[in-house]
Amino acid sequence: TQLLEQSPQFLSIQEGENLTVYCNSSSVFSSLQWYRQEPGEGPVLLVTVVTGGEVKKLKRLTFQFGDARKDSSLHITAAQPGDTGLYLCAGGYNFNKFYFGSGTKLNVKP
Amino acid sequence: GAGVSQSPSNKVTEKGKDVELRCDPISGHTALYWYRQSLGQGLEFLIYFQGNSAPDKSGLPSDRFSAERTGESVSTLTIQRTQQEDSAVYLCASSSPGMWETQYFGPGTRLLVL
Repeated sequence: TQLLEQSPQFLSIQEGENLTVYCNSSSVFSSLQWYRQEPGEGPVLLVTVVTGGEVKKLKRLTFQFGDARKDSSLHITAAQPGDTGLYLCAGGYNFNKFYFGSGTKLNVKP
Repeated sequence: GAGVSQSPSNKVTEKGKDVELRCDPISGHTALYWYRQSLGQGLEFLIYFQGNSAPDKSGLPSDRFSAERTGESVSTLTIQRTQQEDSAVYLCASSSPGMWETQYFGPGTRLLVL
């Protein structure tokens, strides 16, 4: 059983479209992170959110942490081919436990 | 070094053989994690080292898996009597004191058990 459920699993869109990826859990986390991973490489941290209701923006990417700290969303505006990759969310407990979602594979077509 | 390095980058082995995977964390990073990633999937926590504290081994899937770390430097993940289901990408990450939520990942070792 996956502690963090991500949806959708796969997303193929045209350049310029908007999209939202969801990360849901029944557990409360002390922090939640979003990573992007390209083939053959390790994940790269995009953002960490720690406060319920927190919204962070990173250029065209907007991240939100749910009020109850159980879920999060990633919204990309005007997607570009360079956004293509595997997006992973991870929930943090204490200092030594991170649970990852199964990922959303995004393909942005030119 | 500039980042986390792992070796080998690829490993093909026969079922039943032992393998050793190596991770060199970023200098000064006291925390070190091992994860396993099946094809295109999320990461499965395996083990966590923090300084000289006892490691958190709660994610190791069986007693065939073990890991060691020398001080706050290199770590080795050993898989004994490999099985085909051990085939995956093994990722290592490290983080610095006070910034435990920011993990820096290595490129991974792709293990294929035939």
